[in-house]
Amino acid sequence: RKEVEQDPGPFNVPEGATVAFNCTYSNSASQSFFWYRQDCRKEPKLLMSVYSSGNEDGRFTAQLNRASQYISLLIRDSKLSDSATYLCVSRQGSNYQLIWGAGTKLIIKP
Amino acid sequence: NAGVTQTPKFQVLKTGQSMTLQCAQDMNHEYMSWYRQDPGMGLRLIHYSVGAGITDQGEVPNGYNVSRSTTEDFPLRLLSAAPSQTSVYFCASQDRRDRVNQPQHFGDGTRLSIL
Repeated sequence: RKEVEQDPGPFNVPEGATVAFNCTYSNSASQSFFWYRQDCRKEPKLLMSVYSSGNEDGRFTAQLNRASQYISLLIRDSKLSDSATYLCVSRQGSNYQLIWGAGTKLIIKP
Repeated sequence: NAGVTQTPKFQVLKTGQSMTLQCAQDMNHEYMSWYRQDPGMGLRLIHYSVGAGITDQGEVPNGYNVSRSTTEDFPLRLLSAAPSQTSVYFCASQDRRDRVNQPQHFGDGTRLSIL
């Protein structure tokens, strides 16, 4: 079982729709979580950190559920420019290493 | 604002050749790391460093060496390239203050093909 698991997709979503995807993690001692966005053949870029109480940044909302060991990302009013791969990341261990999911591919269609 | 700079962006090697991937950051970050990314897989940690003179192995260190003589630079050396090392390599850095909540910042990546 992978330490951080994501549905690879692709999620094909019409422009303007709301889309959500989850990510599960196996290490209950994970210290922090992030969502990164990666465009084709580019470097990962931080989208948002995920806080225990949930947090919002514009059209994006992230949630953490420690009891069920998953985090989620909700994108409202999706734009064509939201098309990308979304990477779920957990931080764990004494060296605070990042463990990466393989990513969920999102395609927004006009 | 340079951030994390990786060179080269593309490289083709023959099996058995050696080379060094360069990584430099200008944010005075103590923590630096090297990842490889293969299709359908998450980023996997090769080596990391928590400061000048200190390096440690990550998940997939075999076939790679690193050194950290300065805070700014963290080169990755392929000792004898193998086709299995064909991948995209990313260097990342992080502010060591608040190690739990600080995200990592990435370079543009190096696309490496081993023939």
